[in-house]
Amino acid sequence: GAVVSQHPSWVICKSGTSVKIECRSLDFQATTMFWYRQFPKQSLMLMATSNEGSKATYEQGVEKDKFLINHASLTLSTLTVTSAHPEDSSFYICSARASGEQFFGPGTRLTVL
Amino acid sequence: GENVEQHPSTLSVQEGDSAVIKCTYSDSASNYFPWYKQELGKGPQLIIDIRSNVGEKKDQRIAVTLNKTAKHFSLHITETQPEDSAVYFCAARTAYSSASKIIFGSGTRLSIRP
Repeated sequence: GAVVSQHPSWVICKSGTSVKIECRSLDFQATTMFWYRQFPKQSLMLMATSNEGSKATYEQGVEKDKFLINHASLTLSTLTVTSAHPEDSSFYICSARASGEQFFGPGTRLTVL
Repeated sequence: GENVEQHPSTLSVQEGDSAVIKCTYSDSASNYFPWYKQELGKGPQLIIDIRSNVGEKKDQRIAVTLNKTAKHFSLHITETQPEDSAVYFCAARTAYSSASKIIFGSGTRLSIRP
């Protein structure tokens, strides 16, 4: 089946620094990738939708200048959390879509000290 | 936009019994309804899905029903086992297009009592 990977699986950083999370579709090409955020014991909330070669579409309330998304190829999308703060600590999950199906990555746990 | 509500938030079931999780959606244009299982510290895994042209779908111990008129859909797990313990999410999506996206329910934490 289709596999989506994320790197790193977890990261700890200091407040004020930037963190980059990678999302890769390993055995298929994804024209569209999605980024979700999940706080403890809560649901997955869609942050943004990215299409290869174009700017990401952000959901209402998500700061595009803080969460930079780059979808440079059909197999890679990156999410950069800029100037991270403790409230950005969360589980970030990407998803890749191909042929109408959507596949989820294993998630990246971000902890900002 | 689409809004998906899910009940109950927690569910404890005796091993071997059945578990039922219910969801409602708001957007009548939604036509794809996947269910995901999420274990601690992992991403969601698709366990079953149903499309709006089907009223029921079954895969071994798991079944999903859809009432498009009422905008209700449910997950049924029979003969529950300890490994069924996890958080389950329902979701909805409008017709596939470049703009369609999956919106999740709030989740149900299912515990199977031995």
